[in-house]
Amino acid sequence: DAMVIQNPRYQVTQFGKPVTLSCSQTLNHNVMYWYQQKSSQAPKLLFHYYDKDFNNEADTPDNFQSRRPNTSFCFLDIRSPGLGDAAMYLCATSRVDTASQHFGDGTRLSIL
Amino acid sequence: QKEVEQDPGPLSVPEGAIVSLNCTYSNSAFQYFMWYRQYSRKGPELLMYTYSSGNKEDGRFTAQVDKSSKYISLFIRDSQPSDSATYLCAMSAATLGGGGSNYKLTFGKGTLLTVNP
Repeated sequence: DAMVIQNPRYQVTQFGKPVTLSCSQTLNHNVMYWYQQKSSQAPKLLFHYYDKDFNNEADTPDNFQSRRPNTSFCFLDIRSPGLGDAAMYLCATSRVDTASQHFGDGTRLSIL
Repeated sequence: QKEVEQDPGPLSVPEGAIVSLNCTYSNSAFQYFMWYRQYSRKGPELLMYTYSSGNKEDGRFTAQVDKSSKYISLFIRDSQPSDSATYLCAMSAATLGGGGSNYKLTFGKGTLLTVNP
């Protein structure tokens, strides 16, 4: 089945220690998104890629970076995680011509 | 006023009940309306997708959009314990961006539903 796969499912890191989350897709979608979701809250869009074009949300902290080396893969880098960055991070993809998005199962990030 | 308002619940119903979930919104530019289901420790899964006003039915699920009232609903008939999850409404307006249209989603906070056997 075509899908969106996130690794790892659970990640524990130390305060201030850089961490990278990965997302891959077999849907061949042009657009990839990263969301942050905290408990009982709506997913919050951090940034998205339209092919290689990177689009940052205005309120995404500078601490968060992203890379998309090819169509299939996208990475979320958190340079110096703080306690407030503990959350579920969701990757999603979509075709160019549709509003619906396909989500991975997320990476739950814990900060010690 | 938030762009999308959704009652977080929790909502607890007996098996077989009809469930009604709702969202209101303030941005009249929204044209695409979705309902996602999110099980615990999983990503959101698309349930229903509608464009503009009207009804859409898929099995036990019916989505309704009333753009004049800025109100959307999801009805679940004959609810099952397997329907127990958080239901997120999401909506989007097409905006032109580099190379084509962008469809950023605005989500509600989600309603936690429990269907008791």
